[in-house]
Amino acid sequence: NAGVTQTPKFQVLKTGQSMTLQCAQDMNHNSMYWYRQDPGMGLRLIYYSASEGTTDKGEVPNGYNVSRLNKREFSLRLESAAPSQTSVYFCASRGSGFSEQYFGPGTRLTVT
Amino acid sequence: GENVEQHPSTLSVQEGDSAVIKCTYSDSASNYFPWYKQELGKRPQLIIDIRSNVGEKKDQRIAVTLNKTAKHFSLHITETQPEDSAVYFCAASRYGGSQGNLIFGKGTKLSVKP
Repeated sequence: NAGVTQTPKFQVLKTGQSMTLQCAQDMNHNSMYWYRQDPGMGLRLIYYSASEGTTDKGEVPNGYNVSRLNKREFSLRLESAAPSQTSVYFCASRGSGFSEQYFGPGTRLTVT
Repeated sequence: GENVEQHPSTLSVQEGDSAVIKCTYSDSASNYFPWYKQELGKRPQLIIDIRSNVGEKKDQRIAVTLNKTAKHFSLHITETQPEDSAVYFCAASRYGGSQGNLIFGKGTKLSVKP
């Protein structure tokens, strides 16, 4: 089992460029999440998907869109990147009930 | 919605000493409280969790206590070792209902000096 995988690991964008961060899990989990992590701010939820076919906004959704492509894959899109979106992005997934939430290795994004 | 406060933001201890990190939560309906450890440049990983029907849980040198009345929970690490140096995050969630998302504290950077 690979667990939760993310691509790319690193990305540098210019202001206004777009990109999609990819996430996949092989644990048959229903719920998937996208977080951003900034120094001193902890992990803040951007969007989540409680099940295939559904997505909902989290704490900091502005400037992002998501797609739950199927049960395995959950992508995060930045349509017009801004320097404020410079951050480390983590994808996560969780099964049902009181189960552990697993994180991917993260994507370090810099917007210049 | 839920709000989780975590203290202290930084903690430095000597190897062999104990370390305690405290969190408070606001939603009395929260029923699941995990703790994650994040080493530098790595992903957060679960180290211990506790449900609201339990007051304390222990796993070797790590223990978590929960006070539902006061709405606070704490992580205790005994006999600290240099490899315990990391950032620790607490979180709270109301699993089982429509709001099952983890809300994280802002983290505590623990440094264990040899």
